[in-house]
Amino acid sequence: EVQLVESGGGLVQPGGSLRLSCAASGFTFNNYAMSWVRQAPGKGLEWVSGIGGSGGNTNYADSVKGRFTISRDNSKNTLYLQMNSLRAEDTAVYYCAKRTYTSGGSYFDYWGQGTLVTVSS
Amino acid sequence: QSVLTQPPSVSGAPGQRVTISCTGSSSNIGAGYDVHWYQQLPGTAPKLLIYGNNNRPSGVPDRFSGSKSGTSASLAISGLQAEDEADYYCQSYDSSLSGWVFGGGTKLTVL
Repeated sequence: EVQLVESGGGLVQPGGSLRLSCAASGFTFNNYAMSWVRQAPGKGLEWVSGIGGSGGNTNYADSVKGRFTISRDNSKNTLYLQMNSLRAEDTAVYYCAKRTYTSGGSYFDYWGQGTLVTVSS
Repeated sequence: QSVLTQPPSVSGAPGQRVTISCTGSSSNIGAGYDVHWYQQLPGTAPKLLIYGNNNRPSGVPDRFSGSKSGTSASLAISGLQAEDEADYYCQSYDSSLSGWVFGGGTKLTVL
């Protein structure tokens, strides 16, 4: 059974930093790309960042480019999101999601339960 | 404002059929990228409902179906049930943004 368990969320002041983790199990982690998707309170889903199975091919939404860094440790089956220079608008539930490729593009077939990040003074 | 446009809400009575539209552009759906759909029950994480425009993952009832044409896609739910009350999101890839994009979400109310 595929399981994705996020951790590391919490309350942080504007301008601060936080590192999220996502522990994966139930599939061959290094064979799959992964992504972070966030959802602000009462709002829709927003893709944040993605990374290839080997750790290369990272990409970011314009809203977080230059502030967030995605990485993975395939020896620990863990995905990370380092978030720096946090802003109030980064307040959201952050989900990690397993990404599966098709010939027509990728979809997110498994999601974690999410971890809440609140940026406030 | 989301790259993919969905109606904010739809509603229907039990047993009825409803459809949710998802409109994109020439850099995403119109460029040939697949559309995928997710169901988010209140207080839970999103769940994959339809992938590759019209394919259902194992365990998803055949009451749910998807289609795609041109720059738009649709999710149809037939035989509406109370447990279908949730938020529904479409998703695709956008070549101009070089990233994955979601619709703004549609809240389905079962009357």
